Amino acid sequence: DMKVTQMPRYLIKRMGENVLLECGQDMSHETMYWYRQDPGLGLQLIYISYDVDSNSEGDIPKGYRVSRKKREHFSLILDSAKTNQTSVYFCASSQGDEQYFGPGTRLTVL
Amino acid sequence: GMPVEQNPPALSLYEGADSGLRCNFSTTMKSVQWFQQNHRGRLITLFYLAQGTKENGRLKSTFNSKERYSTLHIKDAQLEDSGTYFCAAEAGANAYKVIFGKGTHLHVLP
Repeated sequence: DMKVTQMPRYLIKRMGENVLLECGQDMSHETMYWYRQDPGLGLQLIYISYDVDSNSEGDIPKGYRVSRKKREHFSLILDSAKTNQTSVYFCASSQGDEQYFGPGTRLTVL
Repeated sequence: GMPVEQNPPALSLYEGADSGLRCNFSTTMKSVQWFQQNHRGRLITLFYLAQGTKENGRLKSTFNSKERYSTLHIKDAQLEDSGTYFCAAEAGANAYKVIFGKGTHLHVLP
């Protein structure tokens, strides 16, 4: 069963704390993505990874970094969370055209 | 204007009706994707098009890069079609850049 998983599903952090969002996929897809979605808006691409240690900035990379040490895992890191990073974060993977999305992580930064 | 303009912002249909959603682009795009987000927030890729038309069951999508638009047609709407539909266009000659529309909220009525 093709699946993209995200952990945790919900997270509350204080401003200035570090945040680690994890994403996994069991399809051996080369390409993985991190997006954020804010109310009333579509998704915005934060980072894209083309394979292990091959990561590129998306449209809004500021304040974020990523890590891809294994093909099946892609992590999103916020080193000092800000209140404007409160959002729902989606991970996706693809091999070819179709993107498969995880269930999302709702992050609240107080 | 907005690089990706999606219309209408919201739409209500009765079961069995047909309808169309549209995205207009302010510039030439390389490809377009259509996604559905259900009431639980789950995202599903519906179509990826670099050109032309694709059909999948009751859904059909067209992308005209030269005329700068894409459409998504829903035939014989069902209750489970309710949700938010996003188009996302790929721009950028070199780096991967994808721009989402703000979405169309579709409500299918019994």
